[in-house]
Amino acid sequence: AQSVAQPEDQVNVAEGNPLTVKCTYSVSGNPYLFWYVQYPNRGLQFLLKYITGDNLVKGSYGFEAEFNKSQTSFHLKKPSALVSDSALYFCAVRDRRGSTLGRLYFGRGTQLTVWP
Amino acid sequence: SAVISQKPSRDICQRGTSLTIQCQVDSQVTMMFWYRQQPGQSLTLIATANQGSEATYESGFVIDKFPISRPNLTFSTLTVSNMSPEDSSIYLCSVVPGLAGSYEQYFGPGTRLTVT
Repeated sequence: AQSVAQPEDQVNVAEGNPLTVKCTYSVSGNPYLFWYVQYPNRGLQFLLKYITGDNLVKGSYGFEAEFNKSQTSFHLKKPSALVSDSALYFCAVRDRRGSTLGRLYFGRGTQLTVWP
Repeated sequence: SAVISQKPSRDICQRGTSLTIQCQVDSQVTMMFWYRQQPGQSLTLIATANQGSEATYESGFVIDKFPISRPNLTFSTLTVSNMSPEDSSIYLCSVVPGLAGSYEQYFGPGTRLTVT
């Protein structure tokens, strides 16, 4: 069965420090991988994706993520956190089914709090 | 990308009544989805609503409770019928834009429903 794990419910980091939000997945074959962010009382905003190619992908707001096939991980990172990065972050995986767009599976979310 | 709007943004309803949520997209899309996000939880897919076909419901969701319309490529509605307090959630519309190879999925701002 397809699944996405975000092992940390909460991540706390001081402003200016690097941050990492972890994600591991279990999907048959090679997946499409995504990160979304949800600010309070808002919908989900797309941050970045891995489809193919370079394992390090860069996205919005200075975020990046590294795809590690052997560890089936797709951790979200940022070199220097901002207070405004405080939000709920979701990792998502879509399985590949040839020409058919597979379903999107979400992790349970990680609440990131950046302290000033 | 795609710009998605939802109406209403929030509502408070009495149990036993029904609410219809509208989703409008600024471009034509084939694939449209409805999700539910219960308080403090991740996203749960309710159904996939592709234009020109009947909506496909996920396990645990039925058409009588959550009827969906998809009259054209830019619009859809989700009705929450015979509501109970357990239906209190955020309901999100989502689309995959029609560009080949884009793969990412975009979300509306959500409709926050409270059932009393």
